[in-house]
Amino acid sequence: DAGVTQSPTHLIKTRGQQVTLRCSPKSGHDTVSWYQQALGQGPQFIFQYYEEEERQRGNFPDRFSGHQFPNYSSELNVNALLLGDSALYLCASSLRRMGGETQYFGPGTRLLVL
Amino acid sequence: AQSVTQPDIHITVSEGASLELRCNYSYGATPYLFWYVQSPGQGLQLLLKYFSGDTLVQGIKGFEAEFKRSQSSFNLRKPSVHWSDAAEYFCAGGSYIPTFGRGTSLIVHP
Repeated sequence: DAGVTQSPTHLIKTRGQQVTLRCSPKSGHDTVSWYQQALGQGPQFIFQYYEEEERQRGNFPDRFSGHQFPNYSSELNVNALLLGDSALYLCASSLRRMGGETQYFGPGTRLLVL
Repeated sequence: AQSVTQPDIHITVSEGASLELRCNYSYGATPYLFWYVQSPGQGLQLLLKYFSGDTLVQGIKGFEAEFKRSQSSFNLRKPSVHWSDAAEYFCAGGSYIPTFGRGTSLIVHP
């Protein structure tokens, strides 16, 4: 049973560029959430996707956008990168129709913005 | 506002000693509560969760946590720590969208 997978594992970008991160949920899960974890901090919620729509959003600017595909996989896009966007980006999946309370996390994508 | 607080940034214990990591929550009703562990450079692994019922919850890797409504706490415990337990531990609370504490770094001395 495959767990949550994310790609790429590491990424280096420069300020102003755009980046796309990818996530495949745990088998059988239908909901994907994205988190940003800055160094030395806990994960901060970015947004959650269910049935290909953004259902909830945290306190992040519109530069952060996402998408969920019919196979439940998801992408996180960040435009006009800032130095402060450097972080570990975590994807988590859950099964909403069974309550959705428990999230399972992927290994993350470490983004460095220079 | 709903929140989770981990008052200890670092905890140092000797291998074989007992461990207790503190977590306090601030929610109107009993929240869903979780403990996750994160090894360096890795994602988060779920250790245990509490939704309702028995207030003592058993998790993986020999961890347990106790929900105490009177103290608004959900502390994580382990009777005997192994060197491989050295990691960052996160308490989280809420449903659908958990709110995470800032984490407690566990250091294990041989």
